[in-house]
Amino acid sequence: KQEVTQIPAALSVPEGENLVLNCSFTDSAIYNLQWFRQDPGKGLTSLLLIQSSQREQTSGRLNASLDKSSGRSTLYIAASQPGDSATYLCAVPSKANAGGTSYGKLTFGQGTILTVHP
Amino acid sequence: DAGVIQSPRHEVTEMGQEVTLRCKPISGHNSLFWYRQTMMRGLELLIYFNNNVPIDDSGMPEDRFSAKMPNASFSTLKIQPSEPRDSAVYFCASSFYGSGNTIYFGEGSWLTVV
Repeated sequence: KQEVTQIPAALSVPEGENLVLNCSFTDSAIYNLQWFRQDPGKGLTSLLLIQSSQREQTSGRLNASLDKSSGRSTLYIAASQPGDSATYLCAVPSKANAGGTSYGKLTFGQGTILTVHP
Repeated sequence: DAGVIQSPRHEVTEMGQEVTLRCKPISGHNSLFWYRQTMMRGLELLIYFNNNVPIDDSGMPEDRFSAKMPNASFSTLKIQPSEPRDSAVYFCASSFYGSGNTIYFGEGSWLTVV
């Protein structure tokens, strides 16, 4: 059974710092890995999706890397801002119960609660 | 596009009552997912549909929970009878089927059963 772990559970940094969020998964046979952001009282917003054949993806100040063999992904946030404060979750797809592929049956980590203070 | 639309956004109900949560996926998406989020268990997939057909319902907690997708633009998640331990945020999400496709989540339905 796939298990996803995120560390740290919470992170508080001053504005402007570069920071790294970590995600590890136990079953390296993944199709992709997604990073999401969740603001309080809101749904999840997809930030980056890395296919299993890719090593990294970038979007603005965000960069996500993937090392399948070691079962790890990192989300790098450059020049953090107070608006980056949110919970960040990583997720990987699992196989459907009946076999076959279920790209949307995601196993989530517990998330990293990020606070960026001015 | 309006995104994934869920209703109601908030519901408070008494134990034993029936609860129906509704979801309109993004137009053109062929996969729909119902997730539940609690502090204790995090995010868990309850059921997912592909082309309106339930593919995997192994996450549905028990017979009190049922989900339907009568057409490509509408799905319901029903709890009958509801119990206090069902209190959670229920998210609906949709995507195109495929490994390279992002999953889009709705804003969630916040359910409290008293």
